[in-house]
Amino acid sequence: NAGVTQTPKFQVLKTGQSMTLQCAQDMNHNSMYWYRQDPGMGLRLIYYSASEGTTDKGEVPNGYNVSRLNKREFSLRLESAAPSQTSVYFCASSEADATGNGYTFGSGTRLTVV
Amino acid sequence: QKEVEQNSGPLSVPEGAIASLNCTYSDRGSQSFFWYRQYSGKSPELIMSIYSNGDKEDGRFTAQLNKASQYVSLLIRDSQPSDSATYLCAVSPGGSYIPTFGRGTSLIVHP
Repeated sequence: NAGVTQTPKFQVLKTGQSMTLQCAQDMNHNSMYWYRQDPGMGLRLIYYSASEGTTDKGEVPNGYNVSRLNKREFSLRLESAAPSQTSVYFCASSEADATGNGYTFGSGTRLTVV
Repeated sequence: QKEVEQNSGPLSVPEGAIASLNCTYSDRGSQSFFWYRQYSGKSPELIMSIYSNGDKEDGRFTAQLNKASQYVSLLIRDSQPSDSATYLCAVSPGGSYIPTFGRGTSLIVHP
């Protein structure tokens, strides 16, 4: 099925450990995004990639890095996990143009840092 | 700071009623407006987009946009228990295609 695939779905890390969240889309979208969702805070943009080869910071980039590996794949890396990074992470993609288009979201990664 | 405001709810309506969800935004130059539905434990799903003043209908859903008053609403007719979810409003500010999301309104449709 067409869409956005995220892995893993669940992860528990110890403080200081590192990990990479993987995201791939098969809709030939140019733009991809990483969000985190916390109770009472809504969706907050971590990083985005407007097109292959470009990445930009969003609202809450500290503690994260990203790689746009190719048009399909956009990964999010936590170099040294902290309890404050416990959250649900969503990858999304869209065909962005001047008017804007809605997102297709992946199923999410539930991350707990202990 | 571009803001998108939603009443967190919960909004409780009986089955078969019209549910009305509202969203206000601060950037008068905003161009694109979206409604997402998010079931508990699931990812958001786009259900409506609207770009011009007025109404846009899709099945039981109607999005209403009033740029002069800076609000966008979502009406759900003949509400069903399966409509129980959190509804997220997203607004793309002028000059950017990246939307700001509201915190969502929880809707409960009771039989």
